Amino acid sequence: SQQGEEDPQALSIQEGENATMNCSYKTSINNLQWYRQNSGRGLVHLILIRSNEREKHSGRLRVTLDTSKKSSSLLITASRAADTASYFCATDRYSGGGADGLTFGKGTHLIIQP
Amino acid sequence: EAEVAQSPRYKITEKSQAVAFWCDPISGHATLYWYRQILGQGPELLVQFQDESVVDDSQLPKDRFSAERLKGVDSTLKIQPAELGDSAMYLCASSPGGLNSYNEQFFGPGTRLTVL
Repeated sequence: SQQGEEDPQALSIQEGENATMNCSYKTSINNLQWYRQNSGRGLVHLILIRSNEREKHSGRLRVTLDTSKKSSSLLITASRAADTASYFCATDRYSGGGADGLTFGKGTHLIIQP
Repeated sequence: EAEVAQSPRYKITEKSQAVAFWCDPISGHATLYWYRQILGQGPELLVQFQDESVVDDSQLPKDRFSAERLKGVDSTLKIQPAELGDSAMYLCASSPGGLNSYNEQFFGPGTRLTVL
């Protein structure tokens, strides 16, 4: 079963604009991660935010986490054509810590128009 | 840069046949995962290994799926017999793992299975 749900399901913007996608989840977590998947390929880890963090930055990526609302957002600034991909949020399957399997949402498909 | 290797990349088979997928994780990674991703969905965990031991196979359809990691390094996922609904991408991932670790996972390129 899917824990995370991304919103929107699809997003199309112009190159140079910012892209924001959201994720909601149902149960308590240790951390939340965002992954990118290019068409027909494996997933690439983008960023991990721990449950005691509220915001994290990595290059053009900014992630926020609101554990009271069980939600997270991923902001990609100054988008590029190469950012075209599907983006997934993922949470730990269990809250006991350690190297647990992940539960993924259905993803947001982002298209950057040149 | 170390990567997770998977083979084959593509597999076409007929229903009722047996198929097997292979995964070689990043060297030194104790934890290995198999996920299934249906087109348009996110990956779903099938099985998780810690070294050679199964940690979680609660979502593995055990009547037809099996997985092993005999020496705690590479792993094989098998489906016998394959059904039409098994058509999907099968992804392998690994992480350094261990207690109190935050599990960033490293994914392989996947095996796309088509069952006819």
